[in-house]
Amino acid sequence: GQQVMQIPQYQHVQEGEDFTTYCNSSTTLSNIQWYKQRPGGHPVFLIQLVKSGEVKKQKRLTFQFGEAKKNSSLHITATQTTDVGTYFCAGPGNYGQNFVFGPGTRLSVLP
Amino acid sequence: GAVVSQHPSWVICKSGTSVKIECRSLDFQATTMFWYRQFPKQSLMLMATSNEGSKATYEQGVEKDKFLINHASLTLSTLTVTSAHPEDSSFYICSARDTPTGAGWGYTFGSGTRLTVV
Repeated sequence: GQQVMQIPQYQHVQEGEDFTTYCNSSTTLSNIQWYKQRPGGHPVFLIQLVKSGEVKKQKRLTFQFGEAKKNSSLHITATQTTDVGTYFCAGPGNYGQNFVFGPGTRLSVLP
Repeated sequence: GAVVSQHPSWVICKSGTSVKIECRSLDFQATTMFWYRQFPKQSLMLMATSNEGSKATYEQGVEKDKFLINHASLTLSTLTVTSAHPEDSSFYICSARDTPTGAGWGYTFGSGTRLTVV
């Protein structure tokens, strides 16, 4: 079935440093979504990318969708302690509407 | 924005008993809802797709007789964990999809239910 891989699994950064997580699929994705889950919380939708080579920004967050639509990245500039959490990418599953989540990247930000 | 309400937030039950978890879309209608399970420090694993007015679609390896899903209305889906055992202890989360926003078309998650079976 559809699988979405993510690296790194963990990332510890000093506050103010940048952070990037990468998402890869063995198959072409029609679209990809990114979510953030704070410790003890539930996933919160961040963005959906649809077009090949698409780049979208949300304040300090930059999302990219690869040209081949098989990979994606989330980059955070100048991390803050509020960025702590696990970032998941998700790609379409085998059925119409479901999504398959990547393993996530857990970000720790040291003050 | 879209809100999905999930209850209870946490529950402790005895082994062998059943637990019902409710998931409601508060300000939109959801013909389809999704149920996930998440073990500590792991990703979300889709258990089943709940379809309003019809049978749920279960993922491979998920026992449909153990995890009963009912989606009787456009705003309510329930997951019942029957004859719960300690290995069923987990974080169960539901989600649904509303109309797209400026960020695209994403899924809104409930706050989750932490189930502990003792």
